[in-house]
Amino acid sequence: DAMVIQNPRYQVTQFGKPVTLSCSQTLNHNVMYWYQQKSSQAPKLLFHYYDKDFNNEADTPDNFQSRRPNTSFCFLDIRSPGLGDAAMYLCATSREDREGNEQFFGPGTRLTVL
Amino acid sequence: SQQGEEDPQALSIQEGENATMNCSYKTSINNLQWYRQNSGRGLVHLILIRSNEREKHSGRLRVTLDTSKKSSSLLITASRAADTASYFCATYGGGNMLTFGGGTRLMVKP
Repeated sequence: DAMVIQNPRYQVTQFGKPVTLSCSQTLNHNVMYWYQQKSSQAPKLLFHYYDKDFNNEADTPDNFQSRRPNTSFCFLDIRSPGLGDAAMYLCATSREDREGNEQFFGPGTRLTVL
Repeated sequence: SQQGEEDPQALSIQEGENATMNCSYKTSINNLQWYRQNSGRGLVHLILIRSNEREKHSGRLRVTLDTSKKSSSLLITASRAADTASYFCATYGGGNMLTFGGGTRLMVKP
């Protein structure tokens, strides 16, 4: 089945130690998104790729970076994680459509910062 | 900032009852979508209603949209314990981006 896969599902890192989260998709969608979701809150968009074009949200901290080496893969790099970066990180994809198609989400990676 | 606000924030009902969740938003939209999120998991798309539609059905789900009031509601009929989850509305106004509301946490007691 076509899907969005995130690895790892759980990630523990130390304060200040760089961490990379990965996302892959078999849907061949051209748009990929990274969201941060804290407990009992709505997902907050960090950035998205439209094909290879990177779109950063204005309030996304510089500590967060992303790479999309090809259509299928997208990475979230947190250069120096702080305690406040502990959250669920959700990857999503969609097919470009002017009317706004649904987004398909991966299961998420829960990040713990010690 | 969030586009939508959801009401109630939490809802607890008995199995078999209907559950209604409301969403309000601030700016014009192309469509409004509802997603479900089970605890600790990703979001799953439930239904999309376009700005020129007023009501849409999918199985036990019924969604209404009132663009004059900038509001939408999601009705789940004959709820089941498996419907226990958080439900989010999300508005699409262009630019490949959704803006999510704060969510309603639904608990369905067996």
